Amino acid sequence: QKEVEQNSGPLSVPEGAIASLNCTYSDRGSQSFFWYRQYSGKSPELIMFIYSNGDKEDGRFTAQLNKASQYVSLLIRDSQPSDSATYLCLSHFGNEKLTFGTGTRLTIIP
Amino acid sequence: DTGVSQDPRHKITKRGQNVTFRCDPISEHNRLYWYRQTLGQGPEFLTYFQNEAQLEKSRLLSDRFSAERPKGSFSTLEIQRTEQGDSAMYLCASSLVRTLQETQYFGPGTRLLVL
Repeated sequence: QKEVEQNSGPLSVPEGAIASLNCTYSDRGSQSFFWYRQYSGKSPELIMFIYSNGDKEDGRFTAQLNKASQYVSLLIRDSQPSDSATYLCLSHFGNEKLTFGTGTRLTIIP
Repeated sequence: DTGVSQDPRHKITKRGQNVTFRCDPISEHNRLYWYRQTLGQGPEFLTYFQNEAQLEKSRLLSDRFSAERPKGSFSTLEIQRTEQGDSAMYLCASSLVRTLQETQYFGPGTRLLVL
């Protein structure tokens, strides 16, 4: 079992709808989680991080963390074509180890 | 632009040659990471430094790979006797460690092609 799992997609969402991206992790010691967006051929760019159970909102983005169920999700409201990218979940295990998921490819359909 | 720079941005080399990549982190950041990413995969951790000390190396990192961060600022990643399987994007990230919140900022990457 991979330590951080994401549905590779592709996930297709109509423009203006809500895109929901999910990530599960295996190590209960994980402390914080990061969502990165990566456009094709580019390096990952940070969208947001979360380390407390519950929701965290930043503009059109909402991160949700449920440590009991060991999942973290990212919601994108009012999806735009520019949101089309691969979204990477990064889990911070304990004090040292950081592990990326394989990413979910999101396509926003105009 | 995150403030992390990498050089070169692209490198084409022949199998068996040595290559060296450089990463300049955000100046106040004390941690520096190297990752490798192949098409369709997430970044794979290779190694990281806290200041000048190399604290962890992935088992993915064979003896042909070596990294340094001699003065706790820039870092170099060298691959000796390159193989075609080394072709990938090599990403550098830096962070400032503060309690639980360690946010990594990535450089633009060095894309390596081994012929």
